[in-house]
Amino acid sequence: NAGVMQNPRHLVRRRGQEARLRCSPMKGHSHVYWYRQLPEEGLKFMVYLQKENIIDESGMPKERFSAEFPKEGPSILRIQQVVRGDSAAYFCASSPGAGGHYTQYFGPGTRLTVL
Amino acid sequence: AQTVTQSQPEMSVQEAETVTLSCTYDTSESDYYLFWYKQPPSRQMILVIRQEAYKQQNATENRFSVNFQKAAKSFSLKISDSQLGDAAMYFCALRDYQLIWGAGTKLIIKP
Repeated sequence: NAGVMQNPRHLVRRRGQEARLRCSPMKGHSHVYWYRQLPEEGLKFMVYLQKENIIDESGMPKERFSAEFPKEGPSILRIQQVVRGDSAAYFCASSPGAGGHYTQYFGPGTRLTVL
Repeated sequence: AQTVTQSQPEMSVQEAETVTLSCTYDTSESDYYLFWYKQPPSRQMILVIRQEAYKQQNATENRFSVNFQKAAKSFSLKISDSQLGDAAMYFCALRDYQLIWGAGTKLIIKP
């Protein structure tokens, strides 16, 4: 049973470009969470999605950031017009349900560097 | 608001000895879950141990155990017989449905 997959592992963008980060949850998991980790800090929640629905995006910046989890295919975190402050590691996690008793399993992360 | 605090930015321990990492949290919920995750240099986030708040018994996973004090809102991680492979960042997290994270403790193992 493959774990949570994220690609790319490393992404370099110039200021103003778009970044697309992909996350394929574990088989059987329909709940996806995105977190951001700045250097030397813990993770910060960004958005929680179920298939085709955004459940909670309270941690996501209002502008330039969007997320989706279509019926088919991976979840996508999209950052438009990237700025240097977007440089961070972005982690995706998945779980089979929403309750607190479901453990979230993490992907290896995507390290975004904005030049 | 729910918060998680790890007051030890860095800890070091001699190989084969025992070390305890501290975590305190705040929540108004009565039913919640607590986790310790390990992040080695590869940056992969690995689940170490979890604790259900309604359970009195402290969770144990091999060399890893927790001291869960619900009234004090404390959730410390004890690592016994420390090994070089235990060197990593350790994060404490509280789950409502999303995870609320502490800032992490860097654990150094001295050979």
